Amino acid sequence: EVQLVESGGGLVQPGRSMKLSCAASGFTFSNYGMAWVRQAPTKGLEWVATISYDGSSTYYRDSVKGRFTISRDNAKSTLYLQMNSLRSEDTATYYCTRAATGGDYWGQGVMVTVSS
Amino acid sequence: DIQMTQSPSLLSASVGDRVTINCKASQNINKYLNWYQQKLGEAPKLLIYNTNNLQTGIPSRFSGSGSGTDYTLTISSLQPEDFGTYFCFQHNSWPTFGAGTKLELK
Repeated sequence: EVQLVESGGGLVQPGRSMKLSCAASGFTFSNYGMAWVRQAPTKGLEWVATISYDGSSTYYRDSVKGRFTISRDNAKSTLYLQMNSLRSEDTATYYCTRAATGGDYWGQGVMVTVSS
Repeated sequence: DIQMTQSPSLLSASVGDRVTINCKASQNINKYLNWYQQKLGEAPKLLIYNTNNLQTGIPSRFSGSGSGTDYTLTISSLQPEDFGTYFCFQHNSWPTFGAGTKLELK
């Protein structure tokens, strides 16, 4: 059974940093591209960042370029999102997803609140 | 980015009804269109990928169609567990989602 479990969220002040993790199991992690998607409270979904199966290619939405870094450790079957210079508009539930056929399996999400 | 215009935003229906949800892309997305269901407090669940392919484990009452810029999700006979919010999603280029259709009990 495919499982994706996010961790690392919480309350953070504007301008500070936070790192999210997503532990994957039930499939060969190193064979799949992965991504982070976010959903602000009562808002729609936004694709944040994508990483290729081997980590060699990464892609970001414009609003997070230069601030967020997606990475992965295939030996640990874990996906990461390093978020720097956080802003109030980054407040959202962050989901990791396996980027096959778009996004076929999703984690349960982790809440990130940026507030002073 | 490609804009996805989803309609209606709110749909009231009864158990047993046939319902359709539409999604229009701002440019051709070459059938790279998925449909997701999301219930309150849960992650989105993939129903249909690449226009008309049913994800494993999804009931056959769900179907998708379309091409070019216009796509449709159809639920042939609504069941109680189908109520929730539905999103369309394109992955032809930088991925973008529709704003959602809330399907509620009439």
